[in-house]
Amino acid sequence: NAGVTQTPKFQVLKTGQSMTLQCAQDMNHNSMYWYRQDPGMGLRLIYYSASEGTTDKGEVPNGYNVSRLNKREFSLRLESAAPSQTSVYFCASSASGTLQGYTFGSGTRLTVV
Amino acid sequence: GDSVTQMEGPVTLSEEAFLTINCTYTATGYPSLFWYVQYPGEGLQLLLKATKADDKGSNKGFEATYRKETTSFHLEKGSVQVSDSAVYFCALSLNLGQGAQKLVFGQGTRLTINP
Repeated sequence: NAGVTQTPKFQVLKTGQSMTLQCAQDMNHNSMYWYRQDPGMGLRLIYYSASEGTTDKGEVPNGYNVSRLNKREFSLRLESAAPSQTSVYFCASSASGTLQGYTFGSGTRLTVV
Repeated sequence: GDSVTQMEGPVTLSEEAFLTINCTYTATGYPSLFWYVQYPGEGLQLLLKATKADDKGSNKGFEATYRKETTSFHLEKGSVQVSDSAVYFCALSLNLGQGAQKLVFGQGTRLTINP
């Protein structure tokens, strides 16, 4: 099925460890996004990539880095995980120049202990 | 800044009841408005949208009308089913430039439908 695929689905890290969350879409969308979802706070934008070769900060970028590897793939890296980064992470994509909203992946539940 | 406010949950209804989930927004300009639904353990799915004032979005029996005068986009359904149990998010879109758009979400409303 066409859509957005995220890996892994679950991860437990120790404080200070690093990891990369992977995201790939097969809808030929130009724009991709990383959000985090925390209880009672809705979703907040971490980073986005308007098109291949560009990335920009969102609302809550501290502690994260991203790479737009090609048009399909957009990864999120935690260099030194902290308990405050315990959250559910969602990748999304959208067709550029339209107002169709996003297509979301199924999420990665990350716990930092 | 731009923001979305939803009615606080959780909301619990009986099957076949009428549903309203209130959503109001603050924005400069005229954003597009969306309702997303999240079923347990899944990502968010687009439920419906409206791109300009007085537009009505509809899908799966749900409706919402873009009201510029009251800056609202309330979600309604005439007769809910157990399968409608989920978390519902209202959102507005902002243009980030270069074709990208940012969705600003409300905090979500958990809906439970009892048989």
